[in-house]
Amino acid sequence: AQKVTQAQTEISVVEKEDVTLDCVYETRDTTYYLFWYKQPPSGELVFLIRRNSFDEQNEISGRYSWNFQKSTSSFNFTITASQVVDSAVYFCALSEAYYGGATNKLIFGTGTLLAVQP
Amino acid sequence: GAVVSQHPSWVICKSGTSVKIECRSLDFQATTMFWYRQFPKQSLMLMATSNEGSKATYEQGVEKDKFLINHASLTLSTLTVTSAHPEDSSFYICSARSWGLSTEAFFGQGTRLTVV
Repeated sequence: AQKVTQAQTEISVVEKEDVTLDCVYETRDTTYYLFWYKQPPSGELVFLIRRNSFDEQNEISGRYSWNFQKSTSSFNFTITASQVVDSAVYFCALSEAYYGGATNKLIFGTGTLLAVQP
Repeated sequence: GAVVSQHPSWVICKSGTSVKIECRSLDFQATTMFWYRQFPKQSLMLMATSNEGSKATYEQGVEKDKFLINHASLTLSTLTVTSAHPEDSSFYICSARSWGLSTEAFFGQGTRLTVV
């Protein structure tokens, strides 16, 4: 069965601190996708990144970076020099790959509430 | 990215009434749509998956007669909460996928349902 674990329920940091959000997943599939979404207080889900299981390269996008390690089944997310606007709930999600490359349903972790204090 | 529009953003209804939530893909054809439910401070739980033109597949524990899903066209899916009760109050969010697009699932803005 597929499962996503985000052990950190809440994290509070002071602005400009770096923060890492952990994500550990379980799947029997050899081909799958991993995602991170941001959910601000307004509720909409903001897509941040997708990574397929064959691409273990780390990725950096501005202040965001992701570390994917298949050996430990982890897909951690780091925010560098955090800002108050980063305050939100962050979800890690897993999806099996479907034929044609499209994703199937998403299995979400329980989310991590990040509070960035000014 | 592709745009998914969900309507209404919020709704308050009386207990016992039915509420319909619409999910539209605005600039692509959604062959599959997913409906999720999120209780306060909890994660998103998949309720059902619907493929255009066929019956929805419900997750275990989700009452198909209470949560009616229709996906009659490639751009519209609806979720109807029938005979709503206060315990149905939740945040409902849809997502849509198309074979022709990249592998992200595109999400609507969500609908906050409050049953009084």
